[in-house]
Formats: sequence, structure tokens, C-alpha cells
Amino acid sequence: GQQLNQSPQSMFIQEGEDVSMNCTSSSIFNTWLWYKQDPGEGPVLLIALYKAGELTSNGRLTAQFGITRKDSFLNISASIPSDVGIYFCAGQVAYSNYQLIWGAGTKLIIKP
Amino acid sequence: DSGVTQTPKHLITATGQRVTLRCSPRSGDLSVYWYQQSLDQGLQFLIQYYNGEERAKGNILERFSAQQFPDLHSELNLSSLELGDSALYFCASSVGQGDEQYFGPGTRLTVT
Repeated sequence: GQQLNQSPQSMFIQEGEDVSMNCTSSSIFNTWLWYKQDPGEGPVLLIALYKAGELTSNGRLTAQFGITRKDSFLNISASIPSDVGIYFCAGQVAYSNYQLIWGAGTKLIIKP
Repeated sequence: DSGVTQTPKHLITATGQRVTLRCSPRSGDLSVYWYQQSLDQGLQFLIQYYNGEERAKGNILERFSAQQFPDLHSELNLSSLELGDSALYFCASSVGQGDEQYFGPGTRLTVT
């Protein structure tokens, strides 16, 4: 079946650092969604992307829909402690039955 | 607050028992999705309903079943529970199919 490769699996960051994570697939996607999950909570939608090449920001977060339609990345600038959590990408495969395919998540951890 | 509600928030039960988890979607949303998330794992898609009809099945065990009622709320039934069924169960909803999904706060199931 279709798979999304999300990397890195985890990241140790220091406050103030910029962070970058991405998702890639061998399939072409119509939509890319980025979610953040805090421990014990439901995932929260951060950014939705609908067109190849689209670049969208939400505060310190910026996400892009790859031009090949097979990848997407999420950047967080000037990270703060509340950025800690798990970030998931999800995509709707083109010509599919509208199902979302989910990445395995990127865990952001603050360095002590 | 995503507008998706789930009850109960916590559930503790014994092996072999049966439980029912309930979800009310956001107002106006026709699709409901169920996900399972085991400790420190990603989101496993279980099943989707759209306007009362089953539309997609993921890795849902035969011991699990779901339905969506005419008022669009949904229930996930888990039977013959095993220790390995202990997890967070999330419900999400969307307007149609393949749209942005909005997650509820989850039900934490503990099987002892």
C-alpha cells in the first residue's frame, strides 16, 4: 500500500533553533496536512496545503507542498518550549478513494 | 477546542469485556474516522463512515466494529478485549471525504 516516509523520527532542539522535518512518498498527493499532537491530546491541524509549490505560514510555522507532489516539509523558526510534541504529516493520494495516508511522526524534544 | 467530542475520556476494564466509545462530530461534518494510537506509536486508521455508510476500513480487528447513526454521531465497539487493546482511541471528523480532519480529545482505554 501507499506509504509516507516522515523524517527525522525525533529531534533534540535547543530553544531558539530552527527546525525542519519532511515527508516523502513514491505516490502523488492532492493534499498535504500537518498536525501537532501534545502528550495525551488529540492531533491539532497546523497547516493544510492544496497545490504543488504552495508555501503557507502559520505564525512561526511554514510548510510547503513539493513541486513534484510527492513531498512536503514543515519548518519551525525560533523554537520555543511549547513546540515540543509530535508532528504528523498526512496526505491524500491522487486518484485514490480520498483516504489520508499518515506519516509515523516526528518527535520534538527540548535539550535540557 | 476542535468541536469533536468523545466520551468517556478514560475507561478501565478487564480482559474479555466489551466497551463502547462514543463520538460526536463537528456540526456540519458528515465523515467520522476512528484511529487507534498505542503508547509512543503513530496513528492507526481503523474505519471511516460518511453520512451513515461505511466508506473505508483500515487495520481494524474483527473484534472491533463501528457504526454511524442518523444524527451522525458514531460509536466504536470493542469486544473480547485483550491487554494489547490498551491505547488511545481518537475520533476525527471532516466535512466530506478527503478533507481536513479535526480530532477529538480521545478516549484512553486501559485493559487490565
